[in-house]
Amino acid sequence: RKEVEQDPGPFNVPEGATVAFNCTYSNSASQSFFWYRQDCRKEPKLLMSVYSSGNEDGRFTAQLNRASQYISLLIRDSKLSDSATYLCVVNGRSYIPTFGRGTSLIVHP
Amino acid sequence: EAEVAQSPRYKITEKSQAVAFWCDPISGHATLYWYRQILGQGPELLVQFQDESVVDDSQLPKDRFSAERLKGVDSTLKIQPAELGDSAMYLCASSLAFSGGAQNEQFFGPGTRLTVL
Repeated sequence: RKEVEQDPGPFNVPEGATVAFNCTYSNSASQSFFWYRQDCRKEPKLLMSVYSSGNEDGRFTAQLNRASQYISLLIRDSKLSDSATYLCVVNGRSYIPTFGRGTSLIVHP
Repeated sequence: EAEVAQSPRYKITEKSQAVAFWCDPISGHATLYWYRQILGQGPELLVQFQDESVVDDSQLPKDRFSAERLKGVDSTLKIQPAELGDSAMYLCASSLAFSGGAQNEQFFGPGTRLTVL
């Protein structure tokens, strides 16, 4: 089993839809969690950190489920500009980061 | 806004040649990361520095790759000799530290796209 797993998609949704991605991790001792957004042929950019209590930023909500070892990202009211690849990052032992392979989102008119 | 600088942006080389990439992190960031990203995959950590010390280089192919951060500021990643399979995007990132919470948040440079012919 890979350390961090994501469904590569693509998730193809209409504008205004709500979409959710999950990211599972294998190391129960993982320390911190993040979601990044990556546009085609660009560098990843931090979208949000994932806290134990959950985290919301506008249309984006991230949650952590330590018991089941996954993090989630919910996007409400999808915009065309949300089309990108969403990468989860799990920091394990000594806060060494591991990226998932990313989930591709395509929002269409 | 502070940014991570990388150079060159693009590099084309022939196999068996040596290549080097440079990264200047955000000022004050103690932790520096080098990643390799193949199209369609997530970034793979090659080496992580805390100041000038290596925290992790378990995924660095040490027979051909080397990385240094001599003064704990900027860093160089070298490949010698380059192989066809090294064609990828090489990303550098930095963070304030590698303890918990927001100090872990990584900021990426624009990357160096390497093509080995």
